Amino acid sequence: AQSVSQHNHHVILSEAASLELGCNYSYGGTVNLFWYVQYPGQHLQLLLKYFSGDPLVKGIKGFEAEFIKSKFSFNLRKPSVQWSDTAEYFCAVNKNQAGTALIFGKGTTLSVSS
Amino acid sequence: GAGVSQSPSNKVTEKGKDVELRCDPISGHTALYWYRQSLGQGLEFLIYFQGNSAPDKSGLPSDRFSAERTGGSVSTLTIQRTQQEDSAVYLCASSTIKGAPNYGYTFGSGTRLTVV
Repeated sequence: AQSVSQHNHHVILSEAASLELGCNYSYGGTVNLFWYVQYPGQHLQLLLKYFSGDPLVKGIKGFEAEFIKSKFSFNLRKPSVQWSDTAEYFCAVNKNQAGTALIFGKGTTLSVSS
Repeated sequence: GAGVSQSPSNKVTEKGKDVELRCDPISGHTALYWYRQSLGQGLEFLIYFQGNSAPDKSGLPSDRFSAERTGGSVSTLTIQRTQQEDSAVYLCASSTIKGAPNYGYTFGSGTRLTVV
């Protein structure tokens, strides 16, 4: 069965610091990879996704993620965080087959102090 | 509609009672998913609908949980004889193109269920 591991449960940063959130998955076949964000009091929103092509994908609000197939990783990065990035971040993966459900990691809470 | 709509937004129920949670997906989205979000547990997959059929219901935690979808649109998740461990936020998501795997989901705001 697929699984997704997010290594950091809670990350605390100051504004302008760089961010990297780890995500590893376990599945040997072709996968699609996603990062979702949940701001306080809001619903989950898609940040970015990878399904083919350039392994470095760029999403909204200056976020990017790199797919490293050999490491089964899809880490999320941002060069300079803002207070408004305070949120919970979820990594998710599914098999590249129609209708397969996304499997989510347990999430990482990011707290940014101004 | 413009987004995925879930109702009620909050539900408090007594242990042992049945509850129904409703999801109204984006118009035209054929794929619909239910997840459960518990504190510190991330999102737990419950069931997937393609149209009115459920090809994957492997995530339903017990036979107290059931779901249906009618008209390829609205879905209802029913929990019978609720237990305190059922307390969680129940999220619904929909997706287009017959659930093509590389399309992301659009999530609703969820129903927060509290069993007392």
